[in-house]
Amino acid sequence: AQKVTQAQTEISVVEKEDVTLDCVYETRDTTYYLFWYKQPPSGELVFLIRRNSFDEQNEISGRYSWNFQKSTSSFNFTITASQVVDSAVYFCALSEFEGGSEKLVFGKGMKLTVNP
Amino acid sequence: DTGVSQDPRHKITKRGQNVTFRCDPISEHNRLYWYRQTLGQGPEFLTYFQNEAQLEKSRLLSDRFSAERPKGSFSTLEIQRTEQGDSAMYLCASSPGQLANYGYTFGSGTRLTVV
Repeated sequence: AQKVTQAQTEISVVEKEDVTLDCVYETRDTTYYLFWYKQPPSGELVFLIRRNSFDEQNEISGRYSWNFQKSTSSFNFTITASQVVDSAVYFCALSEFEGGSEKLVFGKGMKLTVNP
Repeated sequence: DTGVSQDPRHKITKRGQNVTFRCDPISEHNRLYWYRQTLGQGPEFLTYFQNEAQLEKSRLLSDRFSAERPKGSFSTLEIQRTEQGDSAMYLCASSPGQLANYGYTFGSGTRLTVV
């Protein structure tokens, strides 16, 4: 079965600091998809990125960047120059395909607090 | 279209009562998912619809839980004879296609408290 581990449960930083959120996954699939979601206090999960297992290029989107390393089964997320609005719980997720259906398996999440 | 809508946002019920939640997905999204999230945990898969067909149910979904998606549009999740362990956030998500091409769009969830 798929498994996603987010070892950090909570991080607190001061505004403008860089912060990296770790994600390690386990899968037997050769083709799979990795995701990051943000959950602000309002509760809605906001999609940030999807990455397929064949694409190991790092990706940058504004202050966000993602480092996918298949060799270590990791998909880490870095926020550069953090802002108070980045405060949220961040989830890493992995696709699971079984019996003709597909779903996401989530990690436990990491709570980020950015202090002014 | 403003996204995935869930109703109600909050529900407090007494143990043993039945509750029903509604999810309105994004128009023309043929895939709809229900997840449950307990405090301090990530969302856990409950069930999945493709159009009106319920294609998979998790073992987490006991006999007290039932979900429907009539006509492939909105969906309802009913919990009968609620227990305190059912207290959680119930999240609905929709997608226009496979995970290979799309991520899910989640609603804001229904927070259930069983007292």
